[in-house]
Amino acid sequence: DIQLTQSPSFLSASVGDRVTITCRASQGISSHLAWYQQKPGKAPKVLIYSASTLQSGVPSRFSGSGSGTEFTLTISCLQPEDFATYYCEQLKSYPLTFGGGTKVEIK
Amino acid sequence: EVQLMESGGGSVQPGGSLRLSCAASGFTFSNYAMVWVRQAPGKGLEWVSTVLGNGDTTYYADSVQGRFTISRDNSKNTLFLHMTSLTAEDTALYFCARYTRTNVYYFDSWGQGALVTVSS
Repeated sequence: DIQLTQSPSFLSASVGDRVTITCRASQGISSHLAWYQQKPGKAPKVLIYSASTLQSGVPSRFSGSGSGTEFTLTISCLQPEDFATYYCEQLKSYPLTFGGGTKVEIK
Repeated sequence: EVQLMESGGGSVQPGGSLRLSCAASGFTFSNYAMVWVRQAPGKGLEWVSTVLGNGDTTYYADSVQGRFTISRDNSKNTLFLHMTSLTAEDTALYFCARYTRTNVYYFDSWGQGALVTVSS
């Protein structure tokens, strides 16, 4: 099984900060990685797919990069509505797996 | 507009069974693979199962293999998850999601979830 390790698991930041979340895969997954945002009590929402493609309607302050085993999600200028939990997911092979999540909270 | 609505959640005793449904609208249901993803209280996301568009090909997480069955009725635009031999570890919010898997792969639309509680 492909394990995904997200770091950090918790992040405290201020509005306007640049934030970077890392997702490392236990084996190469090419670019078969997606990033999701989840707010409390809500369903996840896709932000990025294929490691770096911004989903339609998602603000351009979100960006993704990486390939192989190391990936990053960057929020260039954190906004109040961005405080949430973020998950990476690999879709290279079954079982599909998610990272453990990164909770972004207000400093 | 793509809409997914889960139903069938509830409270069940250990060893019991439950069937979840996910009603889909706003797209050609049979053209898409569908998945179930669950989230235990206060925990992260866990993929549970996938069924391809024709319903003939399915995949399961090891944690549910042999106990859960995913299926779909394309004539009724509905996805199902039949869960048996339930344990406390199956307590979670269960989401259905549409799985885009042409040249790109991701879960592009999600329902709001159905809560399953396994407790005596």
